[in-house]
Amino acid sequence: DQQVKQNSPSLSVQEGRISILNCDYTNSMFDYFLWYKKYPAEGPTFLISISSIKDKNEDGRFTVFLNKSAKHLSLHIVPSQPGDSAVYFCAASRYSGNTPLVFGKGTRLSVIA
Amino acid sequence: DAGVIQSPRHEVTEMGQEVTLRCKPISGHNSLFWYRQTMMRGLELLIYFNNNVPIDDSGMPEDRFSAKMPNASFSTLKIQPSEPRDSAVYFCASTLSVTVEKLFFGSGTQLSVL
Repeated sequence: DQQVKQNSPSLSVQEGRISILNCDYTNSMFDYFLWYKKYPAEGPTFLISISSIKDKNEDGRFTVFLNKSAKHLSLHIVPSQPGDSAVYFCAASRYSGNTPLVFGKGTRLSVIA
Repeated sequence: DAGVIQSPRHEVTEMGQEVTLRCKPISGHNSLFWYRQTMMRGLELLIYFNNNVPIDDSGMPEDRFSAKMPNASFSTLKIQPSEPRDSAVYFCASTLSVTVEKLFFGSGTQLSVL
């Protein structure tokens, strides 16, 4: 049973427009959420995170929104650039529960010039 | 810092053969994780260690899989015997504690079992 779900396997966006990647989770004990970015032939790298005490965290072009009642988070990339083309993984954890990250299946983003 | 180092980068083997994947975590990190990436299941946790001790191996698919961490700077994931359905990318990751701020991943081992 997938505790972290990324229901869109792929997404195509034009350069300069907004990319919105979605993630849903089922475990209400999760209180810390992260996004990782993965290029081909490389390991995933950390992108941005958010704690459940917040509903938004911003880092440059990247913003993560958290809706706890809906158990939903999203990653916004504005403006999208061709270098953003990668697989994005959503991950969740219980920050204080000494538990490892649980990842979604990933969404492949293609930014078209 | 060299980051998490995995070897080999690619492994092609025949069904029934033993496969050993290796990982050197970042120096000073005390938690190590083995993940497997497939199209069907995404990134799934196989096993993790804290201070060289296996904490949870419930993600290991079968008895054919085993993992060891003999010291703080080395871990292996072994598959014996290997099967075609084991074909995937295997990632090792390390961090300062199990309660993660961020995981640092290696580049992965692409395993193909023919």
